[in-house]
Amino acid sequence: DAKTTQPTSMDCAEGRAANLPCNHSTISGNEYVYWYRQIHSQGPQYIIHGLKNNETNEMASLIITEDRKSSTLILPHATLRDTAVYYCIVRPVYSGNTGKLIFGQGTTLQVKP
Amino acid sequence: DTAVSQTPKYLVTQMGNDKSIKCEQNLGHDTMYWYKQDSKKFLKIMFSYNNKELIINETVPNRFSPKSPDKAHLNLHINSLELGDSAVYFCASSQVSGFSYEQYFGPGTRLTVT
Repeated sequence: DAKTTQPTSMDCAEGRAANLPCNHSTISGNEYVYWYRQIHSQGPQYIIHGLKNNETNEMASLIITEDRKSSTLILPHATLRDTAVYYCIVRPVYSGNTGKLIFGQGTTLQVKP
Repeated sequence: DTAVSQTPKYLVTQMGNDKSIKCEQNLGHDTMYWYKQDSKKFLKIMFSYNNKELIINETVPNRFSPKSPDKAHLNLHINSLELGDSAVYFCASSQVSGFSYEQYFGPGTRLTVT
């Protein structure tokens, strides 16, 4: 699976957009970009995923650059409850029947009042 | 309704003991996983079962033995517990056959070995 690079930590003001970058310069054509987050003392939570087009759901938007070497997760109106560790994960579209996720260190997002 | 549940939530035990953690998912998924999160907060996969068949075993000591009695359950039994086994263990499930691989995680079991 391709390696990802994320900033260790970021701050965001409550109510503002939080933009979390991820670099995946070695991504191959058959790999998705996934985002998960882990709120303190909870299990990881799926946020969004994409292949090459930008994606949006009720939680967030995912912007993938045209060359697919980087992406940005956008939380449009961050709240205190969005304080968490955010993980960017790259994995093949099809990896047999394993489906395993390889987590990196992630970005600790602190939303401040 | 809880999608992925684990019991117990906390487990404190002494070195050398044997303990089990149970996991159940009510999502109808075909694949279940065990992840370990150590004190440095790194999440690492341990095992995966697809349709009750073991498909991932990530060089975990053989003191750890997963068992999947059916597709909805994946239990983790640990023999001869060591101090280094102290961690939070997360169960997860996904529907692999649909190519989505969105995983749903349980709340975790915090294991403390003294």
